[in-house]
Amino acid sequence: KNEVEQSPQNLTAQEGEFITINCSYSVGISALHWLQQHPGGGIVSLFMLSSGKKNHGRLIATINIQEKHSSLHITASHPRDSAVYICAADGGSQGNLIFGKGTKLSVKP
Amino acid sequence: KAGVTQTPRYLIKTRGQQVTLSCSPISGHRSVSWYQQTPGQGLQFLFEYFSETQRNKGNFPGRFSGRQFSNSRSEMNVSTLELGDSALYLCASSLSQGGVGTNYGYTFGSGTRLTVV
Repeated sequence: KNEVEQSPQNLTAQEGEFITINCSYSVGISALHWLQQHPGGGIVSLFMLSSGKKNHGRLIATINIQEKHSSLHITASHPRDSAVYICAADGGSQGNLIFGKGTKLSVKP
Repeated sequence: KAGVTQTPRYLIKTRGQQVTLSCSPISGHRSVSWYQQTPGQGLQFLFEYFSETQRNKGNFPGRFSGRQFSNSRSEMNVSTLELGDSALYLCASSLSQGGVGTNYGYTFGSGTRLTVV
């Protein structure tokens, strides 16, 4: 079993839909990262969470430390949100992030 | 403010050769981490440098090495290339000052796509 599990692996949505991507982890963490990767490879860091909830524009990230679970929500999805979303567990050990396999999101107009 | 710069963007090498990739961090960031991304294994941590010292290393063979210069720029080297080394190599810089347990965000570069033929 992977230390960081994401679901679903693939997600197709219609423009405007509310989207949820889930991440469960089995390792101890000091933070959980949500990353976005577009075709071409570059990665953008969306959130770093150690507790509670953060939001930025249409994106919301939550984490439940006791349940070792985090979610990324996208409200009013748009085709430009199409990308791979990756969660990564950060044990505080200088760069040693443990990554999930990613969720490939496709938003249709 | 300039982002994290990785060069080159694309590289084709032959089995058995060696390759050097470069990463220039955001100004003021002294921590540089390297990652390998393949379709089969996903993203995996290679190593992390801070103030010219390797602080942390992932589970990769000794053919993978790196270094960091006094200006925080970092290079990674892969010797005796194998077909399985074909991957996207990403670096990320961070404000990490040192010490386990402190968390700072990471800023990633666009990556170097290495193809070994």
